[in-house]
Parts: sequence; C-alpha cells; structure tokens
Amino acid sequence: GEKVEQHESTLSVREGDSAVINCTYTDTASSYFPWYKQEAGKSLHFVIDIRSNVDRKQSQRLIVLLDKKAKRFSLHITATQPEDSAIYFCAVLAGSWQLIFGSGTQLTVMP
Amino acid sequence: GPKVLQIPSHQIIDMGQMVTLNCDPVSNHLYFYWYKQILGQQMEFLVNFYNGKVMEKSKLFKDQFSVERPDGSYFTLKIQPTALEDSAVYFCASSLTANSDYTFGSGTRLLVI
Repeated sequence: GEKVEQHESTLSVREGDSAVINCTYTDTASSYFPWYKQEAGKSLHFVIDIRSNVDRKQSQRLIVLLDKKAKRFSLHITATQPEDSAIYFCAVLAGSWQLIFGSGTQLTVMP
Repeated sequence: GPKVLQIPSHQIIDMGQMVTLNCDPVSNHLYFYWYKQILGQQMEFLVNFYNGKVMEKSKLFKDQFSVERPDGSYFTLKIQPTALEDSAVYFCASSLTANSDYTFGSGTRLLVI
C-alpha cells in the first residue's frame, strides 16, 4: 500500500525566514496531497492542498510544490511568524478512500 | 468554519469494558473517518464510512472495533472489549467527497487502565 515519508521530524527557523518541509510517497497513482497543521494539544486543521494536475500552488505565505516524477511534494512557509509554530503533517490520498499521513514535522519559529 | 464535534473529549475506562466515542460530522459531508494518534505522533487511519457502510479499514481496526451511524445521528466508534493499547487520542473527520479536504474534530482522549 501507499507509504508516506516525512523527512524532517523537527525544524527550527528564525522569524521571517522560510521553512521547507519535504515528503515523499510511493504510489504513482496518488493524486491528492493535503497538508495539515496541529497545534499543541489540539486538532488538525487543513492548511493547503495540491492535486496532481498542477505542480505548484500558493495561498498567501504557503507554497506547495509537487514533483510527480520524483514522487515528492513540499510545503514552503515564507516570512515565518511565531504563530506558525506547530506540527505539520503531509498526507496522500491512497486508492479512493484513505488519507495516509506522514509522521509530522515539529516546526519552531524563533523570535 | 464548519466543525466536527466529538463527545466526550476525555474518557477513562477500565480494561475490558466497552466504550463508545461519538462524532457529529459536518452536516453536508458524506464521508466519515476515524484516526488514532498516540502521544502526538503519527496519525493512523482506522476506518472510513460512506453511505452506511465501511469502505476500508486498516489492520489497526481490530475485531473489537465497530462503527455505525444509525439514522444520520452520531457517527460512533465502539470498542468492546477495550485493551490497554487502545489508549490514544481518537480523531473523527468528515469530508464532502472522497478526495476533498477533511475536517477533523478535536479528538477524544481515551485512557484504558
């Protein structure tokens, strides 16, 4: 079945710098790639997604890149702010029904 | 925005007893899911549910687990009997279509003692 690897378990950046989180997947048929943010002790919130018909999507300070050949996608957070500190999960829709999550990246934005 | 409500937020239960976790999905969503998260780590897929039926379940969805949504009421996850390793946070989610973003509830923190 589909496997999702999230490469950075922790990431620290200075406020104002960019943060990049990388994920790889195994199933070439996967076509939907969302990202979620989880603050300490809270639930997951959808932040941005990308589908396989495009290779780039931007929403304000968030950019998602998709490289289908390499089976890799990444989340870029530009001009980071302390409130961006959280755990970020990448996910891949496997088959028709299952969203498979990466292991999460703890992002810390230092003032 | 629209929310998924989970009741209770916390539950402590003796090993071997039955527990039911309740989820009120977003009202116009058609697909429902349960995920298990231990110690703020990996989100593990348990099961998804559509049109009154389980569509897929993972190896974590043991025989002691069951889901249902009788008459459009709560979408429930029942564990009977519970085991110590069932201690985790259980998240319910719903989505409008099979490939749209999920809305997650705030989780039920289950402790089996």
